[in-house]
Amino acid sequence: GESVGLHLPTLSVQEGDNSIINCAYSNSASDYFIWYKQESGKGPQFIIDIRSNMDKRQGQRVTVLLNKTVKHLSLQIAATQPGDSAVYFCAENYGGSNYKLTFGKGTLLTVNP
Amino acid sequence: EPEVTQTPSHQVTQMGQEVILRCVPISNHLYFYWYRQILGQKVEFLVSFYNNEISEKSEIFDDQFSVERPDGSNFTLKIRSTKLEDSAMYFCASSSGWTYTFGSGTRLTVV
Repeated sequence: GESVGLHLPTLSVQEGDNSIINCAYSNSASDYFIWYKQESGKGPQFIIDIRSNMDKRQGQRVTVLLNKTVKHLSLQIAATQPGDSAVYFCAENYGGSNYKLTFGKGTLLTVNP
Repeated sequence: EPEVTQTPSHQVTQMGQEVILRCVPISNHLYFYWYRQILGQKVEFLVSFYNNEISEKSEIFDDQFSVERPDGSNFTLKIRSTKLEDSAMYFCASSSGWTYTFGSGTRLTVV
């Protein structure tokens, strides 16, 4: 079946640097994407979302970029802080009325002080 | 801020036993979900529930699984006869469309 996947399972950055986490998806019918942050022992926490009719969306210190041509999604975190250390998942919905999400495998981001 | 509450946070059970995982979704949400996450793997969809019935379920959600919303407040996941491979984090979520909120999960360990 089609699925969402991640290029890098781990990413280690220095505090203050920018982080980029990538995600590839294979379902061209996907129309909505979300990035989640998961800290140890907690459930996924919403970070930012984007619809397929957009290329870029910015939030507070985070930016999501969507490249539909190559089916690629990225999350950019500016001025990464130790509190950003977590596993980051992309998730997609490819239509349907249940708002069901299909998650990628996750990238572990470690921020070194 | 409204929360999705899950109990217990950790459950240990013997293989073959029945377990019930409990969730209190956000009160004005209409869609309810169970997802699971095997250690080190991605979060997987199990089932969605809307208008007091299952609206979609995955291949994982076989006859051993069932969900209920018994009293308009709680949302439960029952596993009738647990297997070792059912060991995972189980996340409840609720949504009003795309506004999803996840609970903190129940860690189920089957021994």
